[in-house]
Amino acid sequence: DVKVTQSSRYLVKRTGEKVFLECVQDMDHENMFWYRQDPGLGLRLIYFSYDVKMKEKGDIPEGYSVSREKKERFSLILESASTNQTSMYLCASTLPGGHEQYFGPGTRLTVT
Amino acid sequence: GDSVTQMEGPVTLSEEAFLTINCTYTATGYPSLFWYVQYPGEGLQLLLKATKADDKGSNKGFEATYRKETTSFHLEKGSVQVSDSAVYFCALSPFSGGYNKLIFGAGTRLAVHP
Repeated sequence: DVKVTQSSRYLVKRTGEKVFLECVQDMDHENMFWYRQDPGLGLRLIYFSYDVKMKEKGDIPEGYSVSREKKERFSLILESASTNQTSMYLCASTLPGGHEQYFGPGTRLTVT
Repeated sequence: GDSVTQMEGPVTLSEEAFLTINCTYTATGYPSLFWYVQYPGEGLQLLLKATKADDKGSNKGFEATYRKETTSFHLEKGSVQVSDSAVYFCALSPFSGGYNKLIFGAGTRLAVHP
């Protein structure tokens, strides 16, 4: 069965902290994505990766970075968390040419 | 740029009512179109998809037809159940999107009451 897991369901951090969100998939997918979900805005793409050590900016990359050292793991990093980064973060993966994206359960991050 | 517009929610229906959630898109070329569903406390999961004009996607009693002439992909179900209560997202994958990026609408919350 297809599986995408995220390291935390809920996270509370203080302004200025460095935050790591981890995503792991067990499907041997090349492509992985990080989205944030906000009411009324749907999902917006932050970064994606099409191979190990490769990354591309999405629509809203400012304030974020990513790391992909292994095929199955894609990390989202908030270098210095701010209150406007309070959101739901969703990770997804897919095969090249395969359009269905498989999503993790999400991490609800609150920055105070 | 490419975009997806879907009707605002929430949509509130009684059990066994007919459901329509409107979705229109703007895109160059021939995108693939999707409906994803998010049940409370979960991530998104694919509900149905269509990859070319006039295709009909269907799953779990839901249907949507890819209408290129009206650039629409409306979601329908003949008789909703309480268990259908969720947030529904319309999305497109651009024709030239080699990395399978998805562009999402804002989402429509559906609440079904017994």
